[in-house]
Amino acid sequence: QKEVEQNSGPLSVPEGAIASLNCTYSDRGSQSFFWYRQYSGKSPELIMFIYSNGDKEDGRFTAQLNKASQYVSLLIRDSQPSDSATYLCAVSTWGKLQFGAGTQVVVTP
Amino acid sequence: DTGVSQDPRHKITKRGQNVTFRCDPISEHNRLYWYRQTLGQGPEFLTYFQNEAQLEKSRLLSDRFSAERPKGSFSTLEIQRTEQGDSAMYLCASSWGGGEKLFFGSGTQLSVL
Repeated sequence: QKEVEQNSGPLSVPEGAIASLNCTYSDRGSQSFFWYRQYSGKSPELIMFIYSNGDKEDGRFTAQLNKASQYVSLLIRDSQPSDSATYLCAVSTWGKLQFGAGTQVVVTP
Repeated sequence: DTGVSQDPRHKITKRGQNVTFRCDPISEHNRLYWYRQTLGQGPEFLTYFQNEAQLEKSRLLSDRFSAERPKGSFSTLEIQRTEQGDSAMYLCASSWGGGEKLFFGSGTQLSVL
């Protein structure tokens, strides 16, 4: 079993709609949770982090964490073509990040 | 520019050769990480340093891989006797303190022929 699991996609989202991305993790001792965006051929870029159960909003992005269910999600509201990228879920355990394989998002005009 | 810098951007080598990559982290960051990424996969943890101390090395990392950070500033990653399976993007990242908000460099794309 992989430590961090994501649906690979692609997730096709009409422009202006909400994109919903999911991530599950296996280590109950994980402490911090991150979402990175990676454009094709580029390196990952941090867009959200969350430490506590509940929701955290930043602009068009909302991260949700449920430690009991070992589940993290990312919502992207009012999706734009520039949001087309691979979104990586990352989970921190004792100082190092473990990444999922990423979900490819394609925003269609 | 004060971001994470990696050199070279691309490296093509023949199987069996040794290669070395360099990473210069953000200047005030004391943690430095190396990851490897292949197409369609997320970054895979290799090793990390806090200042000059190497705190953890992945169990999956072959003995052919070695990393150093001699003065707690830049780091090098060396791969000896390269194999075709070593072909990947090697990413360096840095962070401050015990935080895990990693800032990545542009990566070194290694192709082993």
